[in-house]
Amino acid sequence: NAGVTQTPKFQVLKTGQSMTLQCAQDMNHNSMYWYRQDPGMGLRLIYYSASEGTTDKGEVPNGYNVSRLNKREFSLRLESAAPSQTSVYFCASNRGGGVGYGYTFGSGTRLTVV
Amino acid sequence: DQQVKQNSPSLSVQEGRISILNCDYTNSMFDYFLWYKKYPAEGPTFLISISSIKDKNEDGRFTVFLNKSAKHLSLHIVPSQPGDSAVYFCAAYAGGTSYGKLTFGQGTILTVHP
Repeated sequence: NAGVTQTPKFQVLKTGQSMTLQCAQDMNHNSMYWYRQDPGMGLRLIYYSASEGTTDKGEVPNGYNVSRLNKREFSLRLESAAPSQTSVYFCASNRGGGVGYGYTFGSGTRLTVV
Repeated sequence: DQQVKQNSPSLSVQEGRISILNCDYTNSMFDYFLWYKKYPAEGPTFLISISSIKDKNEDGRFTVFLNKSAKHLSLHIVPSQPGDSAVYFCAAYAGGTSYGKLTFGQGTILTVHP
């Protein structure tokens, strides 16, 4: 059982380049999330999708866009990468209706923008 | 404004002793709290949770305590084992239309020495 799969695991971008981080879950979860982890900041929510067909901004959405392609997939796009977007990105899913069972996280994408 | 705070960046304990990780929050709307554990190069994994209607929840070696009046929760690990060495994140959830969004603390690095 794969759970939440993120690709790629590592990426180096030049300032101004674009890229899409992919996320897929096989648990039939309704809700999906993108977080970024930075030293001393914990995990901060970028965007989330409460259910298929809906997306909404989180705490730090500037510079990002998302697409909930179907129930399984939720992608995060950086249109013009900046050094401030150097971070570890985590995708997560939740069956919805609360968080009683917690999230299932992917293993992360380590992104460096130079 | 950091709504969930873990003021201790790191904690070091001896194997077999108790580990106590602390977390404070400011938002009175939070009604569910969770702890996640994270190993290097992996995504966080759900450890234990507590509803605001309780003051204690146990799961094996792990116990979470909630003091609503002080807006404080703690995670106790007894006895601590070297395999518990990881980063621990506290997270909080406000029900209603939060769509499962979690607010995370900064994390505490726990090191358990053999």
